[in-house]
Amino acid sequence: GNSVTQMEGPVTLSEEAFLTINCTYTATGYPSLFWYVQYPGEGLQLLLKATKADDKGSNKGFEATYRKETTSFHLEKGSVQVSDSAVYFCALTGNFNKFYFGSGTKLNVKP
Amino acid sequence: DVKVTQSSRYLVKRTGEKVFLECVQDMDHENMFWYRQDPGLGLRLIYFSYDVKMKEKGDIPEGYSVSREKKERFSLILESASTNQTSMYLCASSFQGPRNTGELFFGEGSRLTVL
Repeated sequence: GNSVTQMEGPVTLSEEAFLTINCTYTATGYPSLFWYVQYPGEGLQLLLKATKADDKGSNKGFEATYRKETTSFHLEKGSVQVSDSAVYFCALTGNFNKFYFGSGTKLNVKP
Repeated sequence: DVKVTQSSRYLVKRTGEKVFLECVQDMDHENMFWYRQDPGLGLRLIYFSYDVKMKEKGDIPEGYSVSREKKERFSLILESASTNQTSMYLCASSFQGPRNTGELFFGEGSRLTVL
């Protein structure tokens, strides 16, 4: 079956630190992979996506590369800001109808 | 601007009450979803609808039902609320077919407390 596993949080970093949030997946076929972000008091919004192996999704300084050989889609940012504090969800879908989400990783960035 | 609106941000209900959660989208999306969000469990799909009057069960449909009488509106119904249904409920929508980029559009959530 399909599932997503992401690192437990919370992750606490100082401003300008390097961020990595690990995400691995199990899937049948060739899924598309996503990172969604949930800012405090808001719904989820798409951060970035990749639809095939070796694709790199990027947005707002965040990047993630679809690695089929390691079944991973780790989220990275070179220099985090306080405004990046949020909960980050890794997700996959095979048919764009049913999505499988990870448990979420809370990021706290301190000034 | 794209918008998914959930009728109530916060609700407090008593055990055994019938609860309606409403969701409206203004983007002409075919697909609509109800998720439940719990700490450590992420988002779990309750029900999914791909057309008016059509629905499919998600991973945790027990204790819930849904209604989609109009394309823009998708309602989640708790026939007899129980304390284990205390949670954050998220509505989402998306296109089907060629217009589907894979992006789900979420509402801000409805936090339900059942006493």
